[in-house]
This record gives sequence, structure tokens and C-alpha cells, in this order.
Amino acid sequence: AQSVTQLDSHVSVSEGTPVLLRCNYSSSYSPSLFWYVQHPNKGLQLLLKYTSAATLVKGINGFEAEFKKSETSFHLTKPSAHMSDAAEYFCVVSEGGVNRDDKIIFGKGTRLHILP
Amino acid sequence: GAVVSQHPSRVICKSGTSVKIECRSLDFQATTMFWYRQFPKQSLMLMATSNEGSKATYEQGVEKDKFLINHASLTLSTLTVTSAHPEDSSFYICSATEYTEAFFGQGTRLTVV
Repeated sequence: AQSVTQLDSHVSVSEGTPVLLRCNYSSSYSPSLFWYVQHPNKGLQLLLKYTSAATLVKGINGFEAEFKKSETSFHLTKPSAHMSDAAEYFCVVSEGGVNRDDKIIFGKGTRLHILP
Repeated sequence: GAVVSQHPSRVICKSGTSVKIECRSLDFQATTMFWYRQFPKQSLMLMATSNEGSKATYEQGVEKDKFLINHASLTLSTLTVTSAHPEDSSFYICSATEYTEAFFGQGTRLTVV
């Protein structure tokens, strides 16, 4: 069965330090994986996505994620946090195919706090 | 934790008919709800932002007369796909926010035949 686990509900880092938001998934098929960010009162914004191409995916605003099949992980990282990165982040798994309905599973979200 | 219920989970309709999708926040009041659609292997696309008691704010390229959104109460928002066509077949998902936390419905698979 599909599942997505965001291992931390809250993460706090100091401005200028690295960010690591963890995501583990389980999937019966070759999944597509996404990271989204949501700022207060705004809709989801796509940060990056993995769809079976390069395993290291670069996204917007300096974020990147690495798809590790052996570890079933898709952790999100950023070398240096900025105050504007404070938001909620969602890891999402999507399965689908020509003859198969898409399924989409959301992680429960990780709230990122940036300390001055 | 908070729960968002989206109904129906799956619907098949004939071309030209209208379909209503409901999104309910079961144990909290959601002042803001979001509606998304997703095509296979694609990312979610924000369609509109719905605030209770006011008109929805649609994203660029989304036809407001085709995708009618009503947010009549703090616990219910509806998306009506009017005069549906096969190209409207997609996965629709809603999200409701409580304070700064977001919760997602289970999604609705719409197939227009």
C-alpha cells in the first residue's frame, strides 16, 4: 500500500544553516514524488518533482531532493536557510499510468521554523 | 488530527453534464479552502482559493464559469464542474486550512465519457 511519512512535524534551524526535511515513502509502482511548500493563506507551491529521471532533483529557491530507492526516501535539503523559508512543507507521492488511476498521497507536513 | 472529507471519491459522468464535488472540514472551521487538479504524472495545479462568504479567487487560465466554487459555510466548499467534457477528466483535490496548518481531502477522480 502507498504511504508517505514525513518524519518530523516541526523542524527549527537557524538562518544561514542547512535545512533537512525528511520524507519516506512506500509504493507498489514507480512513483512520482513531489515536494510542495505552503505559506500562510496561500496555496501549495511546487518546489521540485521526481519522475524517474535524475535521482538528484533541483528545485526552486535553492532546494533540492535526492530520490533513494534503496532507502525509499526523498529528503528535501537546502544549504542555507533564509527567513522566507519558514512555511509548511509537504511530501507527496503520486502513482499512475496509462491503464491505472492516479493515486496521490500527502505526507502530514513539516513546519519549518527559521531562527534569527 | 483535523480531517477533511471530500466526496465523491470517484465519479463518472456524461459529457455535457455537471458534477459537484464537496469538501468538508469535519472538526474545525476552515476560513480558506483550496482546490487543485492533477493530471497523470504532473504536479498539482492550484485552481482557486475559496474564502468563506466571498467569491473565490481563480488562478490564471482557470475558467470561473466552468468551475463554480461555493464556500457557503466555514466547513463546506463545493466545486461544480459545469458542462463537463472529456478534457476535464482529472483528479481533483481540496485542502482546508486551520490557522496555518493545511489538511487535504482524499481527492475525487472525475472521468467524463
